[in-house]
Amino acid sequence: DQQVKQNSPSLSVQEGRISILNCDYTNSMFDYFLWYKKYPAEGPTFLISISSIKDKNEDGRFTVFLNKSAKHLSLHIVPSQPGDSAVYFCAAGGKGGGNKLTFGTGTQLKVEL
Amino acid sequence: GAGVSQSPRYKVAKRGQDVALRCDPISGHVSLFWYQQALGQGPEFLTYFQNEAQLDKSGLPSDRFFAERPEGSVSTLKIQRTQQEDSAVYLCASRLGTSGSTDTQYFGPGTRLTVL
Repeated sequence: DQQVKQNSPSLSVQEGRISILNCDYTNSMFDYFLWYKKYPAEGPTFLISISSIKDKNEDGRFTVFLNKSAKHLSLHIVPSQPGDSAVYFCAAGGKGGGNKLTFGTGTQLKVEL
Repeated sequence: GAGVSQSPRYKVAKRGQDVALRCDPISGHVSLFWYQQALGQGPEFLTYFQNEAQLDKSGLPSDRFFAERPEGSVSTLKIQRTQQEDSAVYLCASRLGTSGSTDTQYFGPGTRLTVL
């Protein structure tokens, strides 16, 4: 049972435009959410997080929005740059298991010139 | 370097062999996690250590998988009698404290295990 879902396996965006990556979750016990970025042959790198008590968190070009009623979050990247091309994983954490993370299956973002 | 390191980066094993994967967390990090990432999937939780104590091993897929962190620093994930379905990237992550909502998990580059 996939508790964190990223339904778009890939996304292509032009340089300078906005990239929007989406994530849905089913477990209402998750109380914080994160986005990780992954390049080939490297481990995931933390990008941005949001607590369940907030609906928006912004860090430079990256903004994460959380809609708890819809159990949906999104990552906005503005403006998109070629170096943003990577796989993006949505992850969720709760209070159990040392706050282990449950990951989605990832979205491959390609930013084209 | 100050990041999480893992060795070996690549491991090829014949079915039935035992393997040991090593993780060196960031110095001073209390929490350590192991995840398994199959091709085309996201990382999946295997086990969690707080210092030397293994507090959660609910994600270990079978009793062939064993993890330890005897001195609360370096950790080893051991897989006995490897099977083809064990082929995956094994990721280690460490976290400064014990609270996931305030601390970030930092990942190593992973060990890609291929079982022939």
